[in-house]
Amino acid sequence: DADVTQTPRNRITKTGKRIMLECSQTKGHDRMYWYRQDPGLGLRLIYYSFDVKDINKGEISDGYSVSRQAQAKFSLSLESAIPNQTALYFCATSDDLTGRQETQYFGPGTRLLVL
Amino acid sequence: GENVEQHPSTLSVQEGDSAVIKCTYSDSASNYFPWYKQELGKGPQLIIDIRSNVGEKKDQRIAVTLNKTAKHFSLHITETQPEDSAVYFCAASITFEKLTFGTGTRLTIIP
Repeated sequence: DADVTQTPRNRITKTGKRIMLECSQTKGHDRMYWYRQDPGLGLRLIYYSFDVKDINKGEISDGYSVSRQAQAKFSLSLESAIPNQTALYFCATSDDLTGRQETQYFGPGTRLLVL
Repeated sequence: GENVEQHPSTLSVQEGDSAVIKCTYSDSASNYFPWYKQELGKGPQLIIDIRSNVGEKKDQRIAVTLNKTAKHFSLHITETQPEDSAVYFCAASITFEKLTFGTGTRLTIIP
């Protein structure tokens, strides 16, 4: 969905390096998410944020940190990258209308290779 | 927390036939069940969803059924077409909470 953008789209880095993946959205949604996708494991939640002042760990947060700089921006950092963090990373957003769990809109993904 | 299991992991069907993908969930409090389709090189996109107050929902060739007692839900695609080839994910959540995704099904439509 063009309303959710991720940069970079592809990244190769070396073990021990710090890297940041960025996500921006123009949907005006409060909720933002970072997922990791590995073959056979589906989408696993790393961190999520329900508004600018709210940050929550997902099921696989170890080795990652996030920053919610504004409603529209949510960044994922790997402080010291390791090879098993090689994966496809997705950012997603959703609205939060009273009484309904709204659709999550995914970005195009960032393919990360850690050597 | 919630655990969602999805089967099969791969599925091949002849064009024009039907495809069925099944998911089970563990938390009886879950009340929202979406299905996402992921095409090659793209992020997942919602194709249909169902809430726990209904047992079935249909949108053209796609339908989802929910059995709350057994805690399972299924995606049915009829009259399959080549453009249906993709990876499909089920998910479950409680309203206002985060989604838990299944492990995905790679569907291949054979011309």
